[in-house]
Amino acid sequence: GAGVSQSPSNKVTEKGKDVELRCDPISGHTALYWYRQSLGQGLEFLIYFQGNSAPDKSGLPSDRFSAERTGGSVSTLTIQRTQQEDSAVYLCASSLGDRDHEKLFFGSGTQLSVL
Amino acid sequence: GENVEQHPSTLSVQEGDSAVIKCTYSDSASNYFPWYKQELGKGPQLIIDIRSNVGEKKDQRIAVTLNKTAKHFSLHITETQPEDSAVYFCAASQAGGSYIPTFGRGTSLIVHP
Repeated sequence: GAGVSQSPSNKVTEKGKDVELRCDPISGHTALYWYRQSLGQGLEFLIYFQGNSAPDKSGLPSDRFSAERTGGSVSTLTIQRTQQEDSAVYLCASSLGDRDHEKLFFGSGTQLSVL
Repeated sequence: GENVEQHPSTLSVQEGDSAVIKCTYSDSASNYFPWYKQELGKGPQLIIDIRSNVGEKKDQRIAVTLNKTAKHFSLHITETQPEDSAVYFCAASQAGGSYIPTFGRGTSLIVHP
């Protein structure tokens, strides 16, 4: 079936505006993750969902960042009042909720540029 | 929490040579160690993984070794090809339960034809 789908692939916004990033996980995957990848940096964990609940949101950098997941499927990452330091690639990943729970399948990411 | 260090940050080799990327981790409770390959403009893709109950795993030209005592693991690519050029990430986690992998900072591998 289809892989993890993220939209938009690119987003340019002005400082202070709000943005919404969308992730469609692989069908049947109960776990969903958001990571942030800054230029030349590793993968910074943001938030983890199991079903619709987020047992770990410790990676969200500030209260301007929030995420939700509905129907155990689609997730939206919202950044309010964007700042230039928010510019990065935002990656979403999903995984099965069984022994292969550890194997993450990533989308291609959303490149966010805050001017 | 877990901390994963990855070296080198950049690795340049000639086609046909071998490439080795090394990672260390801090949490002795970590028991699952995947490696991801990220090509330009794409998300990372799992290429091989190893669990703490084995010391080595091979899949064609790639292999991973794990030393639990020293808390380090390595990725070995033999007979490198230009299409191996990518960024490689190691990760560590505790399999089962609330699983959140901690990633290294990545290694940019360049294979020159």
